[in-house]
Parts: sequence; structure tokens; C-alpha cells
Amino acid sequence: DAMVIQNPRYQVTQFGKPVTLSCSQTLNHNVMYWYQQKSSQAPKLLFHYYDKDFNNEADTPDNFQSRRPNTSFCFLDIRSPGLGDAAMYLCATSRAAGDYYEQYFGPGTRLTVT
Amino acid sequence: AQKITQTQPGMFVQEKEAVTLDCTYDTSDPSYGLFWYKQPSSGEMIFLIYQGSYDQQNATEGRYSLNFQKARKSANLVISASQLGDSAMYFCAMREGITGGGNKLTFGTGTQLKVEL
Repeated sequence: DAMVIQNPRYQVTQFGKPVTLSCSQTLNHNVMYWYQQKSSQAPKLLFHYYDKDFNNEADTPDNFQSRRPNTSFCFLDIRSPGLGDAAMYLCATSRAAGDYYEQYFGPGTRLTVT
Repeated sequence: AQKITQTQPGMFVQEKEAVTLDCTYDTSDPSYGLFWYKQPSSGEMIFLIYQGSYDQQNATEGRYSLNFQKARKSANLVISASQLGDSAMYFCAMREGITGGGNKLTFGTGTQLKVEL
């Protein structure tokens, strides 16, 4: 089945130690998104890729970076994780912009910072 | 700026009963889309239903229907014949186009639904 895959499902990292979260998709969608969801809060968009074009949300901290080496894969890099970065990180994909195009979400990676 | 409001932090419903989850929105864009997602405790976001601002009829998907009242700016989700597996967090979200293509979803704060025997 076509899907969005996130690895790992659970990640523990130390304060200040760089960490990379992975997302892959078999849907061949143009757009890939990264959301941050803190406990009991709504998901918040960090950035997205439209094909190879990177688009950062204005309030996304510089500590967060992303790479998309090909259509299928997208990575979220946190350069120096702080305790406040502990959250669920959700990857999503969609076809190109349009009225209806729903976003398909992966299962998320729950990040713990110690 | 777009805004989504979900005023029910938690809801209880008995199995086999219907339940309505409220969602109001605010936007100045004449073209918009409204989504409902379900998030079980496992964390994944599951798409349930979509309503476009120009759609003439209320959207339905199986046991899910969307009560869209454009003048009131509300898009309530109705779940009929609730099942234990419906227990989850439910998010209402609004689509807006964003620079560089793609669609940005602005989410409400969610409603935690608990289905009881």
C-alpha cells in the first residue's frame, strides 16, 4: 500500500546533540511537510518542500533544517536540540497545490530530549 | 490570518449514539477548504472528511458527515453510530495556499472524544 513512513517512531537524544528524523513516501507526491506537535497541542507547520523548493515558515527556529534528496525522502535535522524541542514530529505529503488535495500523514516520530 | 476554534476539549458519547464535534473558523479568503482529522493515541493523523467553501452540499464519508454552515462559519463533524474505536483526538483544520506551492493546514486545538459502553 502507498504510504508515508517515518523512522524511527521513537527517538531519544541528549540536550545539544544533533538528531535527524526521516520520512519517506511511496505516493509520489510533489509536496512534503514537517509539522511539530507538542503535548496536547495542535500540529504546527515548520516547513515544506514543493519538489526541490524549500519553504520555511517565518517562525520556525533556525535550529531546524530540512533536506529532500529526492522525491521519496525528506529529513528533519535538529542541530542542537533543547528541552523545548521534545514533541511529536509529523511528516505529511500532498499532491501539488489545489482546492482539495488532502495531506497524508505518517505515524510520527516522538522525540525525547534528555 | 486564518483561525480555527474548537471549543470542546473533551466529549463523551455512548456506543451506537451520534455525536457532534464543533468547529468554527475565521478567514477573509473566499476560497478555502476544511478538513477533519482523527488522531488516535498512536499519533498518526487520519484524514476523515473534506468540505470546500464552494461545495453546495454537505460532505459525507460513511459514518462521518460535515454540517457546513457557511454564513455562521461553522463546520461541525457528525459521527453516527459511534464505536469504541472512534475514541481519539479529533482536529478540525483549514487549508490555505502558501508561498512556494502546497497547502498549509491550520489546526484547531482538538476535541478528545471518548466512546463509552
